[in-house]
Amino acid sequence: KNQVEQSPQSLIILEGKNCTLQCNYTVSPFSNLRWYKQDTGRGPVSLTIMTFSENTKSNGRYTATLDADTKQSSLHITASQLSDSASYICVVLRYDKVIFGPGTSLSVIP
Amino acid sequence: EAQVTQNPRYLITVTGKKLTVTCSQNMNHEYMSWYRQDPGLGLRQIYYSMNVEVTDKGDVPEGYKVSRKEKRNFPLILESPSPNQTSLYFCASSLSSGEVSTDTQYFGPGTRLTVL
Repeated sequence: KNQVEQSPQSLIILEGKNCTLQCNYTVSPFSNLRWYKQDTGRGPVSLTIMTFSENTKSNGRYTATLDADTKQSSLHITASQLSDSASYICVVLRYDKVIFGPGTSLSVIP
Repeated sequence: EAQVTQNPRYLITVTGKKLTVTCSQNMNHEYMSWYRQDPGLGLRQIYYSMNVEVTDKGDVPEGYKVSRKEKRNFPLILESPSPNQTSLYFCASSLSSGEVSTDTQYFGPGTRLTVL
């Protein structure tokens, strides 16, 4: 079954700290993997897009990694800010299907 | 400003009363899609369109209709809404087909629908 799982479900960190969010998928065949940030009450915003041949991609303080062999991806946030509080969604694209993970809810506190 | 707009943003209606949620993009994108988001289930695709007059079912198309008569507009139609269609709906667009492309997908602000 094509699935995307994310962990942890929720996370609270102090402002300025780093954190890493995990995404495991069983989707096959695989086209590309995306990370989105979704602020409460708003539409998701794309952070990174990686094809199966890419191992890492950065967007400012956000760095995504991909291991296509183990079917795992992570999103690392460096020097967190209060504005990073949001839900982070891992999305895996098969050639005929878009599969969303359930998201990780991140809260950054002062 | 490049954007995807949806209307209305909030809607409360009653069972069986037909409604339409509009979606429009100003980026000349070919690919448009509708999703619903429910707690604990994440985003699920309802319908998508690869170009004008080309639409196809996503994962949860039952109870919904769409049309793509113009490139910029992709309305979502609920002919006879039911309470299980209470959800947060998002329209999205990208330059080309999202499934095989690495083009960025842009989401609208969402429409919160409640069906009583």
